[in-house]
Amino acid sequence: QQQVKQSPQSLIVQKGGISIINCAYENTAFDYFPWYQQFPGKGPALLIAIRPDVSEKKEGRFTISFNKSAKQFSLHIMDSQPGDSATYFCAAAHSGTYKYIFGTGTRLKVLA
Amino acid sequence: NAGVTQTPKFQVLKTGQSMTLQCAQDMNHEYMSWYRQDPGMGLRLIHYSVGAGITDQGEVPNGYNVSRSTTEDFPLRLLSAAPSQTSVYFCASKRLGPGPTDTQYFGPGTRLTVL
Repeated sequence: QQQVKQSPQSLIVQKGGISIINCAYENTAFDYFPWYQQFPGKGPALLIAIRPDVSEKKEGRFTISFNKSAKQFSLHIMDSQPGDSATYFCAAAHSGTYKYIFGTGTRLKVLA
Repeated sequence: NAGVTQTPKFQVLKTGQSMTLQCAQDMNHEYMSWYRQDPGMGLRLIHYSVGAGITDQGEVPNGYNVSRSTTEDFPLRLLSAAPSQTSVYFCASKRLGPGPTDTQYFGPGTRLTVL
C-alpha cells in the first residue's frame, strides 16, 4: 500500500523531443506528489509538485499530469534538452504525516 | 546561507565499526530527515524529526540511531556498521508547514562503503 511504482527505469530522447515518466501509487491517502531531479554527485532537488485537486500543473517545459481515479501521475518534459539529462524521482506523501515514499527513479538521457 | 550541509563526503568503514554522519541546516527548518539511496531502490526514509527532541522512524530504521538536540543539527549514527549499509546517504530539511508540502531541500550526500 505504501509503494510508488515508477517507469521506465531509463529513457533516451532526442533533443527537442518529449520525455514522459510515469508513476503509480496505491495509498489513496496520498495527497502530495512531487517530482525531484538529481544530477550525478548531487542531492535531489524539487522540480515540480501537484496536489490531487488539480489534474495538471505546468511550470515552463515541465508538466505533471494527474489521474486520481487511476492513481497515476506523470512528468512530461517538453522540448527536452541535453541539460535535462539526469535521474528523476517521483514521490508521494499525505497530510498528517511527513513520510515521503519515493519511486525507484528514471535515468533520462537527452541526445544532442 | 549554506543550505543543508553534510560531512563527510566519503567514508569507508570496516564491519562492526561505528560512526556518525553529520547534517546541518541554516534555514531554521523544523523538519529534517535522513534517506539512503541504493541503485534501483530510489530513496528510502530512515528517520525524520519535526523539531528538537522529536524523532520518528521511517521505512528502514534498523541499524541507525538519530537524535535532535538543536534545530540546526540532525546526526545519523551507525552503531555497528554492516556491508548492507553501504549506500549514499542524504539529509534533507524543510519548513514544517501544513502537512508534507513546502520544498524539501537535500544535502550533497555522504557515500559510505562498509567492507
